[in-house]
This record gives sequence, C-alpha cells and structure tokens, in this order.
Amino acid sequence: AQSVTQLGSHVSVSEGALVLLRCNYSSSVPPYLFWYVQYPNQGLQLLLKYTSAATLVKGINGFEAEFKKSETSFHLTKPSAHMSDAAEYFCAVSAGGGADGLTFGKGTHLIIQP
Amino acid sequence: EAGVAQSPRYKIIEKRQSVAFWCNPISGHATLYWYQQILGQGPKLLIQFQNNGVVDDSQLPKDRFSAERLKGVDSTLKIQPAKLEDSAVYLCASSPRTSGRVFSDTQYFGPGTRLTVL
Repeated sequence: AQSVTQLGSHVSVSEGALVLLRCNYSSSVPPYLFWYVQYPNQGLQLLLKYTSAATLVKGINGFEAEFKKSETSFHLTKPSAHMSDAAEYFCAVSAGGGADGLTFGKGTHLIIQP
Repeated sequence: EAGVAQSPRYKIIEKRQSVAFWCNPISGHATLYWYQQILGQGPKLLIQFQNNGVVDDSQLPKDRFSAERLKGVDSTLKIQPAKLEDSAVYLCASSPRTSGRVFSDTQYFGPGTRLTVL
C-alpha cells in the first residue's frame, strides 16, 4: 500500500522567493513519484515525475524535485516564485510505474504575495 | 492532439436522483481512470480500466456507483442513487500503456465534472 503526506495545506511566499513544497511518501515497493498542479476549474497537469533514474528531477515551469530514499521525501522546489505559480499542488505515488492508479496527497495551496 | 474530454462540466441534482458522467480519453490510450476529488482533498481513484476490462475497482462504492468502458474507448460513470457526500469533482484520466514496472507513463487528466448533490 502507498500513501502520501503533504506538509502544509497552505504555503505563502513572496514573488521572487524560493518555493518549497514538502512531500513524504510511504510505499511497500520502490515508488514512482509525481507532482501535479491544478489551476482553478481545470484538470491536473503533470509538473514532473521520478521513475528510478536520476534522483534530481527537473520539470516544467522551472520546478524541480529531489528523491531522497533515506528520508522518504520528494520535495518540490522553484528558485524564484512567479505570480502565475499560484495554484494547488499535489504529490502522488504509484507502485506500478505510473500506469497504475495514483495515490494523492491532500494538496498544498501555494499563495504568491506581490 | 486532443486532450481528455469530459461532459457535462457541471451537474446539480437532488439526493436519491441518478446521474451519469461521460469521458472520452486521448486517442489510442489503453488505460482509463476515474477519480473522485472532494473539496479540500486530493483525488481518489475509483476505478481503472485497461482497454474494456476492469483492473482495479477496490475503492468504488459498488452499491451505488457503476462504470463501463464499452469497446475500450469512451467510458461512463453512473451514480444511482446519489447521496449528499457524493458532491465532488469527478476526474477522468488516461494513459497510453498497460500497467507494469517497465514503463513509467503519465496520466493525462480531463477538466472534470463538478457534481453538487442537494
């Protein structure tokens, strides 16, 4: 069984500041990990995914995440926040390579202060 | 390439009524998923199809929810009868390949259907 914990239901940062969204996972098998972003009234869009290759994964819109097995973490970062980054972010885990159903965290609402 | 299509986008019904949602996946995608996203929570998988067969429906409340994927393309999700707690966004997603650890496929999500049960 898999599970995901996202620390902080709301995160507020200033425009231009570092964005750090935390995700810890639990999995009985080596996991595949994903970050999705959801804008209001839209579906989920994939930001990046970890598939057991490089532990530092680069995604779209300047986001990246690092897989740390010892800490069971997959935190999402972006060096400089833009107003357009304001959205809901979801971390998800899959045991079956992504083609199996995803188990999502509860999400983190990112607020960008001008 | 057209994305995952869903209809209707919004639906309001009274409790105990029936409702159906439709999903058209990306052309050629073998795997189709339905997720339920309750306000303030992450999506929860309801059912997964591979072509027209069910792979996983362990979290589908089968006493009131049903889903089918005839001919391995479009899919419908039905609720009968609806309860207040079914108010949620129902997301459909598709991915190109079958399950297995060889591949690491992306799931592509549709815009969702927002259901309100009064």
